[in-house]
Amino acid sequence: DVKVTQSSRYLVKRTGEKVFLECVQDMDHENMFWYRQDPGLGLRLIYFSYDVKMKEKGDIPEGYSVSREKKERFSLILESASTNQTSMYLCASTPDYYNEQFFGPGTRLTVL
Amino acid sequence: DQQVKQNSPSLSVQEGRISILNCDYTNSMFDYFLWYKKYPAEGPTFLISISSIKDKNEDGRFTVFLNKSAKHLSLHIVPSQPGDSAVYFCAAMEYGNKLVFGAGTILRVKS
Repeated sequence: DVKVTQSSRYLVKRTGEKVFLECVQDMDHENMFWYRQDPGLGLRLIYFSYDVKMKEKGDIPEGYSVSREKKERFSLILESASTNQTSMYLCASTPDYYNEQFFGPGTRLTVL
Repeated sequence: DQQVKQNSPSLSVQEGRISILNCDYTNSMFDYFLWYKKYPAEGPTFLISISSIKDKNEDGRFTVFLNKSAKHLSLHIVPSQPGDSAVYFCAAMEYGNKLVFGAGTILRVKS
């Protein structure tokens, strides 16, 4: 079974802090994604990566950056957390095009 | 502007009956569609998908129908079970990579 793990289930940070969310997949997938989920808005794509050291902006990249130094690990960075970044963050991976994406359990981030 | 719309925020169905969840899209370049189910505090799990070259795909109790001319797809669950109670997301794919999700529909199956 594909397993996608995220470093924390719940996280509370203060405004202005730098926040790292980590995601690891164990199936050698090429593609990895970061989404945020907000009520009434569904899942919105923040960033994605096709390969190591490759990254592409999604639909809402402002205020975020990413890092992919190893194939199995994709990190989302909030350079200076703000209250409007309070959300559920979901990581996903997929092996190829036209394939389902496999999701991690999510990180509920609260920024105070 | 949302390219994938799920216009019903919630749906309540009696156990054993059919659940029909609807999804509309605006981008005619979408060529692959998926449905995901999500329980609280868990990540979404894949349910079923359909390519734009088909109009129906079935997997057990789940069937997805695609009407390309109307830019509409639907998920049928027959028979509905209490364990099906979850949020259902419709998603569309363009050029085989990025997914665009709808806002989700909360399904409640009453026993």
